[in-house]
Amino acid sequence: SSELTQDPAVSVALGQTVRITCQGDSLRSYYASWYQQKPGQAPVLVIYGKNNRPSGIPDRFSGSSSGNTASLTITGAQAEDEADYYCNSRDSSGNISVFGGGTKLTVL
Amino acid sequence: EVQLVQSGAEVKKPGESLKISCKGSGYSFTSYWIGWVRQMPGKGLEWMGIIYPGDSDTRYSPSFQGQVTISADKSISTAYLQWSSLKASDTAMYYCARRAYSSSWYSFDPWGQGTLVTVSS
Repeated sequence: SSELTQDPAVSVALGQTVRITCQGDSLRSYYASWYQQKPGQAPVLVIYGKNNRPSGIPDRFSGSSSGNTASLTITGAQAEDEADYYCNSRDSSGNISVFGGGTKLTVL
Repeated sequence: EVQLVQSGAEVKKPGESLKISCKGSGYSFTSYWIGWVRQMPGKGLEWMGIIYPGDSDTRYSPSFQGQVTISADKSISTAYLQWSSLKASDTAMYYCARRAYSSSWYSFDPWGQGTLVTVSS
């Protein structure tokens, strides 16, 4: 299967922890990467591989995976974390990728 | 600094052709795949396809196969996305992004700033 499923919307209280999930068959074989997109801006990579953060991404962002589900966790969510988050994974059928539908995170 | 810079916004009529570009700098352009991503107004990211500029090996998402053409000119470190006959439904923001990978993951970083394509009669 080449589909990745995300919850459309999640909310979190300021300073609390939130988990955003992504489900798909390809995640049994490959790690997801996660992207943050704020309004009017290009996406930014926040997590890739088992749990790797690019330079400049705060350590409150972390990733994990179990079975067919990948998770992005924000520990101590900040107001600036309010954004859309997308997962992406390699498709098991070839050298292509697929994105999840995205999760809109609201920080209350 | 690794950077991808895309061409500017375009306004076209249905049936017209279009080629937008993505110029890489700050790294070996022929050593990394470049992918293209569509984002329709108010919608999510859609992976369109990818090219390896070193040998122009190209792969397409089934949803976009035959609808667009991805190419690259390694002599000027530039990848392209083109349409032969635009439709109103092609109206979207288009992003390019550099792909890194291992045997167990892909990632896209950095991203270009995006090119807004508007197709309207």
